[in-house]
Amino acid sequence: GAGVSQSPRYKVAKRGQDVALRCDPISGHVSLFWYQQALGQGPEFLTYFQNEAQLDKSGLPSDRFFAERPEGSVSTLKIQRTQQEDSAVYLCASSRDHYSSYNSPLHFGNGTRLTVT
Amino acid sequence: RKEVEQDPGPFNVPEGATVAFNCTYSNSASQSFFWYRQDCRKEPKLLMSVYSSGNEDGRFTAQLNRASQYISLLIRDSKLSDSATYLCVVNEEGFQKLVFGTGTRLLVSP
Repeated sequence: GAGVSQSPRYKVAKRGQDVALRCDPISGHVSLFWYQQALGQGPEFLTYFQNEAQLDKSGLPSDRFFAERPEGSVSTLKIQRTQQEDSAVYLCASSRDHYSSYNSPLHFGNGTRLTVT
Repeated sequence: RKEVEQDPGPFNVPEGATVAFNCTYSNSASQSFFWYRQDCRKEPKLLMSVYSSGNEDGRFTAQLNRASQYISLLIRDSKLSDSATYLCVVNEEGFQKLVFGTGTRLLVSP
């Protein structure tokens, strides 16, 4: 595809609801990252996939957050029992190689803005 | 202490001015350095990589000082379209994640 695609663009959830956020990376990109960006802050790392393998999930804030990339392309970030502090923009990014570097920069999607009421 | 620190600004400058941002990072093992630009309610986009020898891209110059662990971005002849948030980004050899600063907001006025 032309770029990283995320859906939905906006999501409003009532506290306690489960949500699922989708990311379609650039075709052929090996690495996929999820970031969380709160208002006025820089993106915070959540998790990283190399193809279908989730190699780093150290940034996931709680066990309510779960991410998968079963076939090594599309990824889903799931948040169970949403809380108000989960309100943020969730950004997905992909890069061509097994690691992000000068030759393999991150390409971001336009994000999903989650509001928990 | 955050791994990557930036002055959040905002920096208010007139068109044509030269403006510089600095960023410090805490991990001396950091290997790759970048500046990303983020427009309001948009995704971050790579502005330029930062190399040890320093590098220039048109009106933009990036410098890296490993000894002092800081990175700078200089913008010459500011344009209205340069108004955005500039994110300093660092990653470490062998680690996949990029660590972002909070960003420095730039407002260029006519």
